[in-house]
Amino acid sequence: QVQLQQSGPGLVKPSQTLSLTCAISGDSVSSNNVAWNWIRQSPSRGLEWLGRTYYRSKWYNDYAVFVKSRITINPDTSKNQFSLQLNSMTPEDTAVYYCARDPGAFDIWGQGTMVTVSS
Amino acid sequence: DIQMTQSPSSLSTSVGDRVTITCRASQSISNYLNWYQQKPGKAPKLLIYGASSLKSGVPSRFSGSGSGTDFTLTISSLQPEDSATYYCQQNYNTPLTFGGGTKVEIK
Repeated sequence: QVQLQQSGPGLVKPSQTLSLTCAISGDSVSSNNVAWNWIRQSPSRGLEWLGRTYYRSKWYNDYAVFVKSRITINPDTSKNQFSLQLNSMTPEDTAVYYCARDPGAFDIWGQGTMVTVSS
Repeated sequence: DIQMTQSPSSLSTSVGDRVTITCRASQSISNYLNWYQQKPGKAPKLLIYGASSLKSGVPSRFSGSGSGTDFTLTISSLQPEDSATYYCQQNYNTPLTFGGGTKVEIK
């Protein structure tokens, strides 16, 4: 069955860059009928969709406006995974970060990574 | 952006009761509405997609209905394991957005 395994640090200093990776098993990052997403959750802001990458004969990305200036989501076909980079982190970015597969709904989720932004 | 508004924000009810959670979109989203269940410390779990299609393996006591702007998640007979927070989510267009959640507690 499809599984997503997240990796990356749980503590980031203010102004630094968050880098998370989501490794895919049981599916392909290059699948042409799904999208690969990053979502975060905090008590103050709830569930927030951050962005996605997907392949439809070429690669596409969509990003939420509120992070568009500092987010990058990249596929890595050689390792069958995708990544999140979020620059200029602030304490307001403290949240649980999830990766998720979307063939029309978020049907498979990673285990979540609690990211704390603190010096 | 499409705003998703859920009600109530929380409820407390007894095992065996019928539970109804509503979700309203700020504009028409056809049937591009999904429902999730989340338990503490876990990722959300997909229950219903396309407003009314039950995901394989999800108990049949869960059902969804609605189209356009108004949607409903119903639990026909609440079980102890249904204690959780429930979220709606639209995938009509980006940014994909979630409702604020409904916390269901067992009396």
